[in-house]
Amino acid sequence: DADVTQTPRNRITKTGKRIMLECSQTKGHDRMYWYRQDPGLGLQLIYYSFDVKDINKGEISDGYSVSRQAQAKFSLSLESAIPNQTALYFCATSDTKRAGGKLETQYFGPGTRLLVL
Amino acid sequence: DQQVKQNSPSLSVQEGRISILNCDYTNSMFDYFLWYKKYPAEGPTFLISISSIKDKNEDGRFTVFLNKSAKHLSLHIVPSQPGDSAVYFCAASGSGGSNYKLTFGKGTLLTVNP
Repeated sequence: DADVTQTPRNRITKTGKRIMLECSQTKGHDRMYWYRQDPGLGLQLIYYSFDVKDINKGEISDGYSVSRQAQAKFSLSLESAIPNQTALYFCATSDTKRAGGKLETQYFGPGTRLLVL
Repeated sequence: DQQVKQNSPSLSVQEGRISILNCDYTNSMFDYFLWYKKYPAEGPTFLISISSIKDKNEDGRFTVFLNKSAKHLSLHIVPSQPGDSAVYFCAASGSGGSNYKLTFGKGTLLTVNP
């Protein structure tokens, strides 16, 4: 299903450019996440947001910033793109309300493939 | 420091046979484990999970086994089908302050041959 959407799906940019990746969800979940995946590696957490006013750095936040514009929207920005940010980027959501605060399963968007030249 | 390890980058099995994917973890605070499946050009999709209070969880052809003393879990797919060919990620999370965070393994590429 398309409960978590990401735009664009593919993007080519040049070193030094600022770009934004967008994520929207219709699942009504409170938490949203941004991950990157490099070839042969697992997913690494960039930023996460528990709600609109709560944003936190993940494992690899340097060079990235995020904005939680609404409960349903969470965007990732690369302020000045560099080639080693070439990767697959995934947005994910989870719903902690039902589980009383314990981690719920995360649901992923289809990903954005980013190439920085 | 890899807290979740999938030591087999790839696995190839025949259709109809059992596929066993393995995952080891080092953090004793992990108490919830998940398996995700990922097809090319798609995001990971949730497959099955298990809480540390259980040692087995079954959903159709998929069964996850957890051995807490060995810090090891495995995913069994029986019978394997060609459509199961994908990358499988093991993930883990802990309780308390880190309950937001999923730690992923590097993935195992499963190929099911017709």
